[in-house]
Amino acid sequence: DSGVTQTPKHLITATGQRVTLRCSPRSGDLSVYWYQQSLDQGLQFLIQYYNGEERAKGNILERFSAQQFPDLHSELNLSSLELGDSALYFCASSAYGTGTGANVLTFGAGSRLTVL
Amino acid sequence: AQKVTQAQTEISVVEKEDVTLDCVYETRDTTYYLFWYKQPPSGELVFLIRRNSFDEQNEISGRYSWNFQKSTSSFNFTITASQVVDSAVYFCALSEADAGGTSYGKLTFGQGTILTVHP
Repeated sequence: DSGVTQTPKHLITATGQRVTLRCSPRSGDLSVYWYQQSLDQGLQFLIQYYNGEERAKGNILERFSAQQFPDLHSELNLSSLELGDSALYFCASSAYGTGTGANVLTFGAGSRLTVL
Repeated sequence: AQKVTQAQTEISVVEKEDVTLDCVYETRDTTYYLFWYKQPPSGELVFLIRRNSFDEQNEISGRYSWNFQKSTSSFNFTITASQVVDSAVYFCALSEADAGGTSYGKLTFGQGTILTVHP
């Protein structure tokens, strides 16, 4: 158990729908990251939050949004889903911003999204 | 832009063989970090090692060793005496660092190498 909790583990939905993926970071970590793993794109960085604020943005579609709440958990919202959004979505956390030097990401087990 | 290339898509070995996974990276930054992650069949990503751009010492951890060569922009990973449990997808990744040398968490991953170790 990495300490990063993601729910749900599996999700099957239809095109056009909206889903929310949830992530609880490892205790003490202030930064949360979202990554997407798909067969054609590989592992891609989507977005980072640090202590509730957006810190960095990657190849995140406009249909996707995220936020980090005061208790540091994060949610990734995916809307108007398309077949191509089917992927494994990873959340990771780190202690970035607390002066710990090199920033090692601890990943959760992932949420597998299937869009039919 | 940063780029990580893992040219070996799949490698198949027999148990007890040594195997080297190649990783070549591109970056314009002078300070950066390199990582290796393992993704076993269960799907999670497991951190193996990180190396900063100023530390070119090779590292050995049990059956695992890493060879960082800045001159060739490579960070190769060797498993000695491979075991069936080593079967997984291995990812090399790169991140920038801020002015203070702290790695950003935005990782650029290679495409991964699927390692299969047969008994």
